[in-house]
Amino acid sequence: EVQLVESGGGLVQPGRSLRLSCAASGFTFDDYAMHWVRQAPGKGLEWVSSISWNSDKIVYADSVKGRFTISRDNAKNSLYLQMDSLRAEDTALYFCARDFQIQIWSLDSFDIWGQGTKVTVSS
Amino acid sequence: QSALTQPASVSGSPGQSITISCTGTSSDVGAYNFVSWYQRHPGKGPKLLIYHVTDRPSGVSSRFSGSKSGDTASLTISGLQADDEADYYCSSYTSSRTVVFGGGTKLTVL
Repeated sequence: EVQLVESGGGLVQPGRSLRLSCAASGFTFDDYAMHWVRQAPGKGLEWVSSISWNSDKIVYADSVKGRFTISRDNAKNSLYLQMDSLRAEDTALYFCARDFQIQIWSLDSFDIWGQGTKVTVSS
Repeated sequence: QSALTQPASVSGSPGQSITISCTGTSSDVGAYNFVSWYQRHPGKGPKLLIYHVTDRPSGVSSRFSGSKSGDTASLTISGLQADDEADYYCSSYTSSRTVVFGGGTKLTVL
């Protein structure tokens, strides 16, 4: 079964750091670009960051640029999001998602999603 | 990058058809055919319904269809079913080489 499972969320104080993980299974992980998308309480989806299948292309939303770092370990079939200098507005459910196409960098569609991991930034 | 504009809510009775609009700009929806639609049920991750404005992934019902005119894309659901009750989101590639989502539309099946 094709599956993505996020972990690492929790309650953290403003200014602190948190690292999210996404474990992939059921498909050839290193064939696909991967993405992080978040949803704040009562809000819509917000794209956060994307990384190509071989990590040579990385992009971030302006809202997290300079604070968040996306990475992947293809040997471990895992995607990561290092979140530093966290703010209250980063409070959200964070999803990892698989790109729709194999080895194409298009930021197009996301066809497989996890169920999300909740991050709460509060003192 | 501002979020794409969707109606906050729509409703319809079983068997009817509804359309959800998604309005962007000439820098996103109007510029590219990289518009997608997603369905999200509570407690679950989003499900891809439509990609490239009009295409359906394998396994998605033909009751779901997409279109675009200018800066506005649309999702039409025909033959409404109770299980269609969910939140729906559009997305588009942008000229800034990023992705922008819509604010989401809550569909209520009466």
